[in-house]
Amino acid sequence: AQSVAQPEDQVNVAEGNPLTVKCTYSVSGNPYLFWYVQYPNRGLQFLLKYITGDNLVKGSYGFEAEFNKSQTSFHLKKPSALVSDSALYFCAVRRSNDYKLSFGAGTTVTVRA
Amino acid sequence: EAGVAQSPRYKIIEKRQSVAFWCNPISGHATLYWYQQILGQGPKLLIQFQNNGVVDDSQLPKDRFSAERLKGVDSTLKIQPAKLEDSAVYLCASSSPGDRDYNEQFFGPGTRLTVL
Repeated sequence: AQSVAQPEDQVNVAEGNPLTVKCTYSVSGNPYLFWYVQYPNRGLQFLLKYITGDNLVKGSYGFEAEFNKSQTSFHLKKPSALVSDSALYFCAVRRSNDYKLSFGAGTTVTVRA
Repeated sequence: EAGVAQSPRYKIIEKRQSVAFWCNPISGHATLYWYQQILGQGPKLLIQFQNNGVVDDSQLPKDRFSAERLKGVDSTLKIQPAKLEDSAVYLCASSSPGDRDYNEQFFGPGTRLTVL
């Protein structure tokens, strides 16, 4: 079985401050890890993924994520948040030999001006 | 390239009625997925197609849900009869097996279903 936990339902930060959205996972074998963002009335948009290699992954819109195998975590980060980053963020995991994605429950990010 | 298309975007029905959703994946994508996203939860895979064959439908409530992808391109998801708990956003996604992006899934805008 595979699963994802996003321990925070909501994250609130001021514009210009660092943003972190937490994710931990459970999967057998090597994980493929993903972050997606969802704006109101829109589908999920891909932000970044970890497949192999460097533990720090850079993605769209200035986001990055760090893969930590010992802590089974894949936290999403942005050094300086924008109001436009306010959205719902999902972490997802799958096994390297399988297509099936398992999503976390999502974290709502609110960036105040 | 054009993204994943879904219609309708919104649907309101009474319980026990039937409803169908349509999805057109990205051109050339052999794998198609239907997800159910209930408010406050992450998307849950309902069914996965590889071309016109079903790969995984283990979480599809087969007593009321059905899906098909007859020609290996477009797909329809049907609910008959609908229950109140079927109120959700239904997301379609597609991916291209074997591409260098490790089967990244591309999502459509979703269909928001409200069952009254």
